[in-house]
Amino acid sequence: AQSVTQLDSHVSVSEGTPVLLRCNYSSSYSPSLFWYVQHPNKGLQLLLKYTSAATLVKGINGFEAEFKKSETSFHLTKPSAHMSDAAEYFCVVGGAVFGNEKLTFGTGTRLTIIP
Amino acid sequence: DAGVIQSPRHEVTEMGQEVTLRCKLISGHNSLFWYRQTMMRGLELLIYFNNNVPIDDSGMPEDRFSAKMPNASFSTLKIQPSEPRDSAVYFCASSPGGRGISYEQYFGPGTRLTVT
Repeated sequence: AQSVTQLDSHVSVSEGTPVLLRCNYSSSYSPSLFWYVQHPNKGLQLLLKYTSAATLVKGINGFEAEFKKSETSFHLTKPSAHMSDAAEYFCVVGGAVFGNEKLTFGTGTRLTIIP
Repeated sequence: DAGVIQSPRHEVTEMGQEVTLRCKLISGHNSLFWYRQTMMRGLELLIYFNNNVPIDDSGMPEDRFSAKMPNASFSTLKIQPSEPRDSAVYFCASSPGGRGISYEQYFGPGTRLTVT
């Protein structure tokens, strides 16, 4: 079985300050991990993915995430927040069961940027 | 290259009417996923196909919902008869997958369904 827990339902940061969105996963096998972003009234957009290559993964718009197996974490970070980063962010796990392409989505973290 | 295309973008219908949502996959992808998103339940997987074959439909709410993939690039999700509790945003996603591991999924813009 696989699961993912997003530790904060809502995060607020000031523009220009760092962003940290926390995610822990559970998986019986070596997982694939993803972060998606959803802006209001839009579809989900892939930010980045981890598939057992480098543990530090760089994504679009300056975001990156680090896979830490010992901590079963995959936290999302950005050095400096921009107003356009305000959105809902989903941590996603997949690949735990061979032959099953289903992804398991976290409940989401709403990121608010304070001007 | 065009992304996932969904139509219509908005649909308002009366209870009891039939609703058909449409999705066109990204060229070259062979897995297709239908999701439903609501405030109460978040994002739910309804069904997914690989190479036009339904692989997992355990998320389909009930017999009122049906999904088809008549060819490799197109899918429909039908609700008949529709009910107010079906009101949600329905997303389609495609993936290059099919070899039994999770590939990233690319989402369409969604169809916002309102059943009155």
